[in-house]
Formats: sequence, structure tokens, C-alpha cells
Amino acid sequence: RKEVEQDPGPFNVPEGATVAFNCTYSNSASQSFFWYRQDCRKEPKLLMSVYSSGNEDGRFTAQLNRASQYISLLIRDSKLSDSATYLCVVGVYYGGSQGNLIFGKGTKLSVKP
Amino acid sequence: DVKVTQSSRYLVKRTGEKVFLECVQDMDHENMFWYRQDPGLGLRLIYFSYDVKMKEKGDIPEGYSVSREKKERFSLILESASTNQTSMYLCASSQVGGSTEAFFGQGTRLTVV
Repeated sequence: RKEVEQDPGPFNVPEGATVAFNCTYSNSASQSFFWYRQDCRKEPKLLMSVYSSGNEDGRFTAQLNRASQYISLLIRDSKLSDSATYLCVVGVYYGGSQGNLIFGKGTKLSVKP
Repeated sequence: DVKVTQSSRYLVKRTGEKVFLECVQDMDHENMFWYRQDPGLGLRLIYFSYDVKMKEKGDIPEGYSVSREKKERFSLILESASTNQTSMYLCASSQVGGSTEAFFGQGTRLTVV
């Protein structure tokens, strides 16, 4: 089983649509959770961290279910500029300052006019 | 503005050459990482380092080595480049591995011919 699994996509949606990305992770020791965004031919950048209580940033809502080892990202009222690949990322912390991030393969989103 | 800088954006090398990819960060981060990104495979961790002169193998270390002589600099070395090492290489740094945001360099597109 892959450590972080995401919807394979691609998702093609019209402007204004609501789109949901799902992600599951296998390492129950995972302690931090993130969504990164990667534009075509660019480096990944943090979109938002995901907290146990769920969190929202404008049109973006992230949810975490530790019992099910499941993470989600909801984008409301999607814009053309939301077109990108969305990466589900899980952090594993070893102690001190040590740890690393495990990336899902990403889901490509295309928002059409 | 935080910055991770990779020495080259594009690189073409011949099979069998020794290749050095350099990465410098200006954020005084403890952790630095090297990933490669391939279509359909996502980001895969090659090596990471949590301190000067310390290194840990990631998921795909074969054919690579790393060097971290100074805190701000993390080098990836391809001892004898092969065509299957043609890829996008991404360097990242973070303050606390696995728990805090990772900042990425712009990537090096390496082609081995």
C-alpha cells in the first residue's frame, strides 16, 4: 500500500464549481498534514496546513480524520487560477528537528471558462 | 522573502559523467531534502539531512550521494550519470522536518544523454 494515496484525476471542472480532493495515508504515526499546490513547471508551494478540527482559508476548506487516516480539500467557487496540481502531504516527525514529508502523486485540476 | 536556490535550471550531461547539483537556503533551516519528480510517480525522496555532515537515505538513494558541509548548502551527487536519472530534481528545506512548511527551490531539469 502506498503511503499517501490521492484521487488520480485529472479533474476538469467549469468556473464556479465546487471540487473535492481526497487523500488517505497509511502511516498512523503521521503527525502533520498539508496540501501543497504545484503549478505547471514550477516548484510545489504550501497551500494550507490541515488541522484535526478542520480549517478554512477563504474558498478552501481542509479536513482531517485521524481515525480513518483521511484528508480532504474542498475548493468552492473555483477560479481559472485554481488550475494546478494539488499534492496531499503527510509529515512524519522523528524527534529533535528530524522528520520528513511524504508526498502523494498529486491530482491535476483544470478549471475551464 | 525566504529562498531556496538551485544552481542550475536546466542541465544536460553525458552518461557516465559525475554530476553535482547544488542547493542553498538562506533561512537557517536545519533540514534539507533532495527529491526527484517524474510523471506518474510524483515526488520521491532521495536523501535528506537534519544537520551539518548528517544524512539519511530516502526512498530511492541508489546511484546518488549527498554532501552537507555547511548548514545552508546541500549537494546532490550523481556518481556516474545514467539515462534513467533524467528527471526534475527539487531541493527543499524546513525548520523542523515533517512538522513545518518545506520551501522548495525552482528545480533542476537534468537530461542525461
